[in-house]
Amino acid sequence: ETGVTQSPTHLIKTRGQQVTLRCSSQSGHNTVSWYQQALGQGPQFIFQYYREEENGRGNFPPRFSGLQFPNYSSELNVNALELDDSALYLCASSLGGQGREEQYFGPGTRLTVT
Amino acid sequence: AQTVTQSQPEMSVQEAETVTLSCTYDTSESDYYLFWYKQPPSRQMILVIRQEAYKQQNATENRFSVNFQKAAKSFSLKISDSQLGDAAMYFCAYRSELGAQKLVFGQGTRLTINP
Repeated sequence: ETGVTQSPTHLIKTRGQQVTLRCSSQSGHNTVSWYQQALGQGPQFIFQYYREEENGRGNFPPRFSGLQFPNYSSELNVNALELDDSALYLCASSLGGQGREEQYFGPGTRLTVT
Repeated sequence: AQTVTQSQPEMSVQEAETVTLSCTYDTSESDYYLFWYKQPPSRQMILVIRQEAYKQQNATENRFSVNFQKAAKSFSLKISDSQLGDAAMYFCAYRSELGAQKLVFGQGTRLTINP
């Protein structure tokens, strides 16, 4: 059984650019959630995808968008990058879109916007 | 909206001693889950322990236990026989029973273990 993986590990972008982050869910999981963790803060929920549909969204602007693919892997896209988008982006996978199922986190992608 | 507060930005403990990390939360819901996650320098968030709000019995996992006070909306983590590998950021988190599996995290407590 493979765990949650994310790519890339690190990347540096310039303000105004666009970025795509990727997450492969744990084997058998059909739900992926994305979180943004600014330096020194707790993670904040961006959105969740369940069976390829958005299943909940946090307080993030529309320039944060996502996709989930038939194999349940997921992408997080951020357009028009701002300096405040610099953060660790975590994804977590689980089975089922709600309820008591555990979420398993990936190692994160560190995004730096200059 | 639910909120989670960790009032201790940093804590330290001697190896083999016991330490308690505090967490309070605010919610109007009656059914929910509470979690403690550990985030070492490797950045990966690791689940330490979970508590279902409908269970009166406090959860335990080896050296880790919680003190869940539902009426007071308090959820503290006790680490017994602290080990050097316990050094990390610890986050308290809330998740509703209903809707998306959205975790609401506190600000975190940095735990240092002194040898």
